[in-house]
Amino acid sequence: DSGVTQTPKHLITATGQRVTLRCSPRSGDLSVYWYQQSLDQGLQFLIQYYNGEERAKGNILERFSAQQFPDLHSELNLSSLELGDSALYFCASSPEVPGGAGGDTQYFGPGTRLTVL
Amino acid sequence: DAKTTQPNSMESNEEEPVHLPCNHSTISGTDYIHWYRQLPSQGPEYVIHGLTSNVNNRMASLAIAEDRKSSTLILHRATLRDAAVYYCILDAGGTSYGKLTFGQGTILTVHP
Repeated sequence: DSGVTQTPKHLITATGQRVTLRCSPRSGDLSVYWYQQSLDQGLQFLIQYYNGEERAKGNILERFSAQQFPDLHSELNLSSLELGDSALYFCASSPEVPGGAGGDTQYFGPGTRLTVL
Repeated sequence: DAKTTQPNSMESNEEEPVHLPCNHSTISGTDYIHWYRQLPSQGPEYVIHGLTSNVNNRMASLAIAEDRKSSTLILHRATLRDAAVYYCILDAGGTSYGKLTFGQGTILTVHP
């Protein structure tokens, strides 16, 4: 158990719909990351938040957005869903501070499996 | 981002040591070398990381070449539970700090 929780575990929805994925980081971790894992693209970094502020963006679509709340939990919002958005979405947290030297561990949650029909 | 190259797959027998190689010829001086693994139907799991010196922990050992252009993850006695995809990743720090770029990884099969 990494200490990172994600809800829901599974989500089935239709094209065009909007969903929200939730992540609670490990106690004390200020950094939260979102990753997408699909069969054809592998694991891809989407976005990072640190203490409520967006810090880094990866291959995140404009239809996707995220935020980190004062209690440090984070939500990933996916809208106008398409079949190709079906994937595993992982959240990770870390005690790292942006701009640091590097080397801190990321702790991954169990993921949310999104199926768009 | 500096790139890593790993074999697509490797096989091992239970109770034997496993050496998983990774090439990172474009590594910069401040890049940390991380290894994560992903067991079936689970999120990635941290295994080990290092900068210049070899590292040991309860899960594995990391051997880093003197020129840092390659590294090897060593599982001293493979078990069936070690069957997973192993990812070798470079962490650049600074403004890239924390953004992990996963490649295809190495699929490790462990035979009983």
